[in-house]
Amino acid sequence: GQQVQQSPASLVLQEGENAELQCNFSSTATQLQWFYQSPGGSLVSLLSNPSGTKHTGRLTSTTVTKERRSSLHISSSQTTDSGTYLCAPNMGYKLTFGTGTSLLVDP
Amino acid sequence: ETAVFQTPNYHVTQVGNEVSFNCKQTLGHDTMYWYKQDSKKLLKIMFSYNNKQLIVNETVPRRFSPQSSDKAHLNLRIKSVEPEDSAVYLCASSLTGGARDTQYFGPGTRLLVL
Repeated sequence: GQQVQQSPASLVLQEGENAELQCNFSSTATQLQWFYQSPGGSLVSLLSNPSGTKHTGRLTSTTVTKERRSSLHISSSQTTDSGTYLCAPNMGYKLTFGTGTSLLVDP
Repeated sequence: ETAVFQTPNYHVTQVGNEVSFNCKQTLGHDTMYWYKQDSKKLLKIMFSYNNKQLIVNETVPRRFSPQSSDKAHLNLRIKSVEPEDSAVYLCASSLTGGARDTQYFGPGTRLLVL
């Protein structure tokens, strides 16, 4: 089955710094979602990026499909960015989630 | 804007009781899902339904049974809950269920089994 590895497991930044999150998966996927999970637990879809580069706000995702990897770049981090970032390739009728990167942005 | 709704937000119960969680989506999607997030925060698929038909059942114990009245509703019943069922249960939906879909999640139902 699909295996998903995310790195780093945790990250601490000072407000204003940039973050680079990595996601590697074992089987080719035709869709890859990045999610943000707040400390309270709600799951928000940030980006759907099956290949190439996509931007939304301060977020940039780059997915290299044939290498089975994706990255999420957060620019000019804010304290409200603190939480857990999850990637999930779509294998059809199910997402397989990584263990996430826990991000803490200090003021 | 929330388009996948779950009730209740939180439920506390005793071992052996039956519980039922509700999920509704207003996106007009054909496919709905239940995921479980355990105490280690790992999110795993439990069930997928497409137009009221079961598509995926990921080796879930038989005490769990999904119930779909129409494609906009997918409920989850747990007969005789166990302590290891304490978790957050997340409902999601997507347009077709295909591998190119984007899935949209509800706020979750947190279950605590005493």
